[in-house]
Amino acid sequence: NAGVTQTPKFQVLKTGQSMTLQCAQDMNHEYMSWYRQDPGMGLRLIHYSVGAGITDQGEVPNGYNVSRSTTEDFPLRLLSAAPSQTSVYFCASSYSSLAGGQGDTQYFGPGTRLTVL
Amino acid sequence: DAKTTQPPSMDCAEGRAANLPCNHSTISGNEYVYWYRQIHSQGPQYIIHGLKNNETNEMASLIITEDRKSSTLILPHATLRDTAVYYCIARNTGGFKTIFGAGTRLFVKA
Repeated sequence: NAGVTQTPKFQVLKTGQSMTLQCAQDMNHEYMSWYRQDPGMGLRLIHYSVGAGITDQGEVPNGYNVSRSTTEDFPLRLLSAAPSQTSVYFCASSYSSLAGGQGDTQYFGPGTRLTVL
Repeated sequence: DAKTTQPPSMDCAEGRAANLPCNHSTISGNEYVYWYRQIHSQGPQYIIHGLKNNETNEMASLIITEDRKSSTLILPHATLRDTAVYYCIARNTGGFKTIFGAGTRLFVKA
């Protein structure tokens, strides 16, 4: 298994540009989520999905869109990039979203480092 | 999900046990305590979780107080590779969101 993969690893955008961060997992996990991590800070939840066709907002959803058309993929779209979106973005997946079982363990991708000028 | 409180940083000597505390005084009965760590700038890695009993796996031990208001993650023989940020998270059985706080930055020194 490749686990959770993210592309690109690095990206530089200009203010106002749009782009899509890709996230894929090959573990047949139902639950996927996107986080951002600003320098010296913890992770903040942007959006999450509990299965194909179902998404919901996390703590900091403004400026981002998501969709989940397949179990494997969960892309994150920046509609109009702003310098405040400069951050490291992590995608995560788990077999289920219900706490308690081992299936709730989240697996994280390596991250995408985004700079918006 | 209950809020968790952790010290911002801790030091530990290599080979000694690292004891990382977490306060979750408002935790409810169906909330589990999870620990993850993040080494340098990599994605977080799951360590262990528990509800009310103490737990142990190949990476660490988790001690939860009887009133469940606090817990301690124990790395029995810390190595330099254990230097990382450690996150304590409370999650309930019906919750879909995992909220990470600032964590504890553990420095393991030779």
